[in-house]
Amino acid sequence: DIQMTQSPSSLSASVGDRVTITCRASQSISSYLNWYQRKPGKAPKVLIYAASSLQSGVPSRFSGSGSGTDFTLTISSLQPEDFATYYCQQSYSTPYTFGQGTKLEI
Amino acid sequence: EVQVVESGGGLVQPGGSLRLSCAASGFSFSSYWMHWVRQAPGKGLVWVSRINSDGSSTTYADSVKGRFTISRDNAKNTLYLQMNSLRAEDTAVYYCARGPTWFDPWGQGTLVTVSS
Repeated sequence: DIQMTQSPSSLSASVGDRVTITCRASQSISSYLNWYQRKPGKAPKVLIYAASSLQSGVPSRFSGSGSGTDFTLTISSLQPEDFATYYCQQSYSTPYTFGQGTKLEI
Repeated sequence: EVQVVESGGGLVQPGGSLRLSCAASGFSFSSYWMHWVRQAPGKGLVWVSRINSDGSSTTYADSVKGRFTISRDNAKNTLYLQMNSLRAEDTAVYYCARGPTWFDPWGQGTLVTVSS
């Protein structure tokens, strides 16, 4: 199975900050990497698919980059509604696997 | 509105069975791969199974292979997960999600508790 490792596990930031979350795969997954946002009591919501494609309706302050084994999710200017937990997920091969999550706190 | 809604969770004894359902609406269900993902209490997200658009191809995580069966009824816009020989470690919130290989949308989940 492909292991996905996110860093950091938690992150404190302020409104207006630029934030970067990293996800590393245990083997090359090309660009088969997706990012999700999850708020307490809510289902996860996809933000970025295929490493850098912004899901329809997602604010442009979210961006993704990377290929191979190293990927990043960047939030250019944090808004109050962005405080949540973020997960990466590889869709290169089954079993699809998720990172452990990054909790973004105020 | 594109949405999926899970149902069928509950308390079941070890070795028992349960069938989960996922009702889809707002999109052409028969055109999409569908998935089940679960999250055990205090643990991370784990992909469980997928099924292609016409139901002819299925894939499972090793942890459920031979015990769980994914299926779909495209006429009813409904996805299923038949869970047999349930174990304590299957206790989790089960989510259905639309594919193809990224998951959107997800349902709110249905809780399955395996305990005597």
